[in-house]
Amino acid sequence: NAGVTQTPKFQVLKTGQSMTLQCAQDMNHEYMSWYRQDPGMGLRLIHYSVGAGITDQGEVPNGYNVSRSTTEDFPLRLLSAAPSQTSVYFCASSYSLSADTQYFGPGTRLTVL
Amino acid sequence: GENVEQHPSTLSVQEGDSAVIKCTYSDSASNYFPWYKQELGKGPQLIIDIRSNVGEKKDQRIAVTLNKTAKHFSLHITETQPEDSAVYFCAASNGGGADGLTFGKGTHLIIQP
Repeated sequence: NAGVTQTPKFQVLKTGQSMTLQCAQDMNHEYMSWYRQDPGMGLRLIHYSVGAGITDQGEVPNGYNVSRSTTEDFPLRLLSAAPSQTSVYFCASSYSLSADTQYFGPGTRLTVL
Repeated sequence: GENVEQHPSTLSVQEGDSAVIKCTYSDSASNYFPWYKQELGKGPQLIIDIRSNVGEKKDQRIAVTLNKTAKHFSLHITETQPEDSAVYFCAASNGGGADGLTFGKGTHLIIQP
């Protein structure tokens, strides 16, 4: 199993540009989530999904959209990038709930100029 | 919502000594408390977790203790080795909900040779 994969590893955007961060898992996990990691802030939950077709907001959802059309994929979309969205983004998955072991991807480092 | 405080932010210990990292949480409904290790340039990886019906859990050199009354839990690493150098995060979750993990801000553990 590849586990949780994320693409791209690095990305530089200009303010106002849009992009999609890709996340996929091959463990047949129902629960998937996106976190952002900023220096001195730990990890903060952006959006999560408890299964295909179901998504919900986390602690810091503004400026981000998600969808879950399949069990495997959970893309994160930035519609109009802002410098405040410069961060490292991690996707995670688990069997069914946030209280199950979370498997994290390797991360995407995003810089917005 | 849940708030998790983690101390210290940096911990330097001599190789072979023990290291202790402490966390407190605010939501009495939280019942799942994992610890993650993050190495440079990688995603967090679960090293141990504890649920609220258990007071202590051990796995080789790593142990976690939970005091529900005081709402705090701690990570103990004995006989530290150079490969233990990393950033460690505690987290808390209301296991019955799908609202993600709330993370502490992390502890940078440095093992001095």
